[in-house]
Amino acid sequence: EDKVVQSPLSLVVHEGDTVTLNCSYEVTNFRSLLWYKQEKKAPTFLFMLTSSGIEKKSGRLSSILDKKELFSILNITATQTGDSAIYLCAVVSGGSNYKLTFGKGTLLTVNP
Amino acid sequence: NAGVTQTPKFQVLKTGQSMTLQCAQDMNHNSMYWYRQDPGMGLRLIYYSASEGTTDKGEVPNGYNVSRLNKREFSLRLESAAPSQTSVYFCASSEAVRTGWETQYFGPGTRLLVL
Repeated sequence: EDKVVQSPLSLVVHEGDTVTLNCSYEVTNFRSLLWYKQEKKAPTFLFMLTSSGIEKKSGRLSSILDKKELFSILNITATQTGDSAIYLCAVVSGGSNYKLTFGKGTLLTVNP
Repeated sequence: NAGVTQTPKFQVLKTGQSMTLQCAQDMNHNSMYWYRQDPGMGLRLIYYSASEGTTDKGEVPNGYNVSRLNKREFSLRLESAAPSQTSVYFCASSEAVRTGWETQYFGPGTRLLVL
């Protein structure tokens, strides 16, 4: 069965800190790995990663994928209170019909 | 078990035309979703339906409407298509929407080209 595991499950930091969120996976026929930020009801898309070693960057957020070791990390530098959210990792896998498997998420709380 | 089915597979529209994308699942799932996927981008959620009779906006709902017709079917409507809506549309379903979201099973996608 496909599995996506995120760690830590929750994290509390102070504004200005740098955080690293982890996502490891075991799936059949890997296609891509996605990171989402969930503040209210539905997640919003952050990054899609398909190739190892290529960093995706957007402002203070960056992410990288290691397809050999089957994991990805999401870095947030100079955190702000607005970064407080659940961060979800999801893996797209499968043959002709894709499947999307989400991790449980990491709850990040950034205190002023 | 067909899983998640979508129709049509491919559609070309002119700007301003309307159309409905159909999605059905036979897995007795409670929750259904519509995503769009653009080149170089991951999946972006348009709308979702946590259960029959409810719908909620996702990340990019503007220009779309949805109907959860019954437990099996969830349709996506473009009232007045725009070139920016050229994309591949995926329908998905899952047993239920919970805090961490569930594993979602996808349909084969609909390629939409708006001229």
